[in-house]
Amino acid sequence: DAKTTQPTSMDCAEGRAANLPCNHSTISGNEYVYWYRQIHSQGPQYIIHGLKNNETNEMASLIITEDRKSSTLILPHATLRDTAVYYCIVRFFTDKLIFGTGTRLQVFP
Amino acid sequence: EAGVAQSPRYKIIEKRQSVAFWCNPISGHATLYWYQQILGQGPKLLIQFQNNGVVDDSQLPKDRFSAERLKGVDSTLKIQPAKLEDSAVYLCASSFAGANNYGYTFGSGTRLTVV
Repeated sequence: DAKTTQPTSMDCAEGRAANLPCNHSTISGNEYVYWYRQIHSQGPQYIIHGLKNNETNEMASLIITEDRKSSTLILPHATLRDTAVYYCIVRFFTDKLIFGTGTRLQVFP
Repeated sequence: EAGVAQSPRYKIIEKRQSVAFWCNPISGHATLYWYQQILGQGPKLLIQFQNNGVVDDSQLPKDRFSAERLKGVDSTLKIQPAKLEDSAVYLCASSFAGANNYGYTFGSGTRLTVV
């Protein structure tokens, strides 16, 4: 079973920051937080991952709380192309990816 | 770098017929996965291969589903006979064995409709 809890859906205005929360209160010390997204009719796409520290790449930023029980994926300037289902996944780096139902993000003009 | 290739892109069959899906992973990726994604749900892992050996097939309905990866590269997933509830997108993914900080790379999937 998935070890994370995410809101079912969120909206965001184009050009604004999209902040997607994820709760993972049972995360263990060596488990990473991964984020994937799935645009309609495509396979899931890797976005970012982190262990303890905040991470940033060209796609997004990942903020992990100090107790590691929750995290937030930030898309700094959402575009219409960011409309997708976003999955937060907790796993040890050699474990299988287990998907929950994710958050459906709708970016509107 | 070429991505994970899957074919066919779409398939429509009648119940009780057979169907096969093909996957070509990224070159050098030893680990290959098949996922089933029913409409409105997240992908569900069916089977995991490490080279040509099965690592985990605990979620594969073995009475009707089979998969192979004979030479440790391409893989085929078969359903025989198909049921209406098998209608889904079948996703193939691959990754390096062991440490893989970037997780998996997925193909675009095969959309199966059983009528």
